Amino acid sequence: DAGITQSPRHKVTETGTPVTLRCHQTENHRYMYWYRQDPGHGLRLIHYSYGVKDTDKGEVSDGYSVSRSKTEDFLLTLESATSSQTSVYFCAISDPEVPIYFGEGSWLTVV
Amino acid sequence: GNSVTQMEGPVTLSEEAFLTINCTYTATGYPSLFWYVQYPGEGLQLLLKATKADDKGSNKGFEATYRKETTSFHLEKGSVQVSDSAVYFCARTHTGGFKTIFGAGTRLFVKA
Repeated sequence: DAGITQSPRHKVTETGTPVTLRCHQTENHRYMYWYRQDPGHGLRLIHYSYGVKDTDKGEVSDGYSVSRSKTEDFLLTLESATSSQTSVYFCAISDPEVPIYFGEGSWLTVV
Repeated sequence: GNSVTQMEGPVTLSEEAFLTINCTYTATGYPSLFWYVQYPGEGLQLLLKATKADDKGSNKGFEATYRKETTSFHLEKGSVQVSDSAVYFCARTHTGGFKTIFGAGTRLFVKA
């Protein structure tokens, strides 16, 4: 969506390789999030950030790490990708009094 | 607890039919309530919102009223179109809080 850019949009990688997904925002919003979406599980929060260098775990954080060194960028890293991490990943942003809104998604396939 | 429950799908309707997708929530305090829509291959988009009891959110012919007494926020549309086929998510957050809790989503199919 306007103001949020995810990259890459599509990626195929091999089991055991590291993968980094990038979320970039131009809205200067304080909060950033990474979700994954899988059939039968809806949206699940992986990690979130409430400021530069301030991050916390969501409900499905195992196997993932994040970093936020600048307001506009929130990186999601899979240190050693597994097939169970094949999913669609959505970045989202919000601000006080501003509802959460989402990027276009990154489709990751781990083979 | 803090959760959002919405009706299971898929919901299949003919064009011009009336749509209701039920959503109930549990929360401490007074959350803001939202409906999001997701079209195939895209991210979720905010459809409408309501921030206090008895507020009615509306957009693109869709409406939902914040019912505190029944802790509900049901989505309605009087006449659906094929282009409304999508997945609809009900969501809530706390006033003053920043995390958003989503329901599981309801898939809507509209047939011509």
